[in-house]
Amino acid sequence: GQQLNQSPQSMFIQEGEDVSMNCTSSSIFNTWLWYKQDPGEGPVLLIALYKAGELTSNGRLTAQFGITRKDSFLNISASIPSDVGIYFCAGRNYGGSQGNLIFGKGTKLSVKP
Amino acid sequence: EAGVAQSPRYKIIEKRQSVAFWCNPISGHATLYWYQQILGQGPKLLIQFQNNGVVDDSQLPKDRFSAERLKGVDSTLKIQPAKLEDSAVYLCASSNRDPNYGYTFGSGTRLTVV
Repeated sequence: GQQLNQSPQSMFIQEGEDVSMNCTSSSIFNTWLWYKQDPGEGPVLLIALYKAGELTSNGRLTAQFGITRKDSFLNISASIPSDVGIYFCAGRNYGGSQGNLIFGKGTKLSVKP
Repeated sequence: EAGVAQSPRYKIIEKRQSVAFWCNPISGHATLYWYQQILGQGPKLLIQFQNNGVVDDSQLPKDRFSAERLKGVDSTLKIQPAKLEDSAVYLCASSNRDPNYGYTFGSGTRLTVV
């Protein structure tokens, strides 16, 4: 089946640093979504991307939908301790079932104050 | 707006026992999903409902898993009999419009099979 390769698997950074993570796929997606999951909670949607080349921001977060439609990245600027968590990319294409998102394995972010 | 409610939060059972999880989606959300999230992995779709009809259950292990959404509102997911590899967090999510906008997830039920 379709798989998303998300990297890095984990990051350990200093507060105030910028963070970058990405997601690649062998398949084309029409939608890319980025979620954050805190321990013991479900994933929460951060940013949604709908068009190849689209660049979207949400506060300190910026995400881009790759031109090839096979990749996406998420940047976090000036990280703070509450950014700690696991970040998941998710993709969907219209060839699959309605609303069926494929998730990456996640990037675990740790922030040192 | 109230979020997606799930219960129980935690469950420990022995292998070969049965277990059921309950989900109440956000009011008015027609689409409901059950996902399985194994430790260290991203969520994987088990089943998708549109109102009370199944849209996609291609990844549901039907020999042991079943799910229903009888009145198009809340839903139950059952495992019978459970195996050790079923240990995971079971997430319910719902959506009321184009799924491209993303879903709202509940906090999940953490199942441990011993």
